[in-house]
Amino acid sequence: NAGVTQTPKFQVLKTGQSMTLQCAQDMNHNSMYWYRQDPGMGLRLIYYSASEGTTDKGEVPNGYNVSRLNKREFSLRLESAAPSQTSVYFCASRRDRVQETQYFGPGTRLLVL
Amino acid sequence: GDSVTQMEGPVTLSEEAFLTINCTYTATGYPSLFWYVQYPGEGLQLLLKATKADDKGSNKGFEATYRKETTSFHLEKGSVQVSDSAVYFCALSDRSGGGADGLTFGKGTHLIIQP
Repeated sequence: NAGVTQTPKFQVLKTGQSMTLQCAQDMNHNSMYWYRQDPGMGLRLIYYSASEGTTDKGEVPNGYNVSRLNKREFSLRLESAAPSQTSVYFCASRRDRVQETQYFGPGTRLLVL
Repeated sequence: GDSVTQMEGPVTLSEEAFLTINCTYTATGYPSLFWYVQYPGEGLQLLLKATKADDKGSNKGFEATYRKETTSFHLEKGSVQVSDSAVYFCALSDRSGGGADGLTFGKGTHLIIQP
């Protein structure tokens, strides 16, 4: 039981390049989330998927797209990376709104030059 | 909208000292409250939670009580250890059904315990 896994762990991009961050969970959870963590800002919600087949914007969605590929996987795509997207990205999942505890992956550290 | 305010650090204590990290919140409904801990280079781990007023969450010697009258969820530990050094996040989950379905986090408190 690996919980929530994320790939890659670290990535360096040049401005304008694209990339996809991958996230998978093996806990049969319905809901999945993408957050970004910046110094002094805490974690901020980018996008979430309350259930398979649905996605919704969070607090800071601009410059990102997401895909809920199936119940296990939720990817985050940067189409044209900008230096402002330098951050640590965390994926999380939870069973549903009743079981509110979210479980987090180890994070992806992204540097955009 | 919902918000969480917590004391910002770094907070530096000596081993075996008493710890309090303050957290207050604003929410439209009746949220569940959480403390998460992040050790260096790792993701967030749930430390404890409380789902209704006057509930006390506890784990690994840490405690926090859900105080609806003061909208607070302060984290306490009687005797800290060097291994408690980490960043601590207070968070809420709004169960009112409106708004984004995610956690609202405070900015985090960096705790440093010196031997």
